[in-house]
Amino acid sequence: EPEVTQTPSHQVTQMGQEVILRCVPISNHLYFYWYRQILGQKVEFLVSFYNNEISEKSEIFDDQFSVERPDGSNFTLKIRSTKLEDSAMYFCASSVQQGQETQYFGPGTRLLVL
Amino acid sequence: AQSVTQLGSHVSVSEGALVLLRCNYSSSVPPYLFWYVQYPNQGLQLLLKYTSAATLVKGINGFEAEFKKSETSFHLTKPSAHMSDAAEYFCAVSDRRNQGGKLIFGQGTELSVKP
Repeated sequence: EPEVTQTPSHQVTQMGQEVILRCVPISNHLYFYWYRQILGQKVEFLVSFYNNEISEKSEIFDDQFSVERPDGSNFTLKIRSTKLEDSAMYFCASSVQQGQETQYFGPGTRLLVL
Repeated sequence: AQSVTQLGSHVSVSEGALVLLRCNYSSSVPPYLFWYVQYPNQGLQLLLKYTSAATLVKGINGFEAEFKKSETSFHLTKPSAHMSDAAEYFCAVSDRRNQGGKLIFGQGTELSVKP
């Protein structure tokens, strides 16, 4: 069964450093998403992406965040200058369509900013 | 704005007992509703979803949920709990008018199953 994969599974970085989280969505999916979950809190939407453009972004997704689909398979989330409060589990998801269509989630990348 | 409230951050049941996980939503229009499950060290897996067809929705692993517009609820049930059901469960809502497709999640309910 096709699945969304994410690398790395864990990442530790120093405050102020740049990190890139990588995702490989399911191959025939057209919509891509990033969510995050700070320990003990809700899963929060960050951004959705379709046709090489951001469809929607949350207030969390400020100028330090960017997304990219550099090739036909990968979908990346870049955090330019990490802050302590960026420590969280980051989930990538993909779907065939948006709305009622199921979003399939990857296993997540746990990011720790020291 | 849409929101989701899950009553009870932790629910404990005995094996074989009824599972009831509560979810209430707030939305100005009938939303799409989802239940996801997260096992330790895994991603979120869809259990079931409501998209405006039948109000009683059946999902995987014997779970079902009923959309009740009058109560703005979408509670998740399973007649008989199994040890393997121990996990965290998330209710989520999506606005059918939203072109971005974002999901808004509840706080999650951790289900424990006692032998």
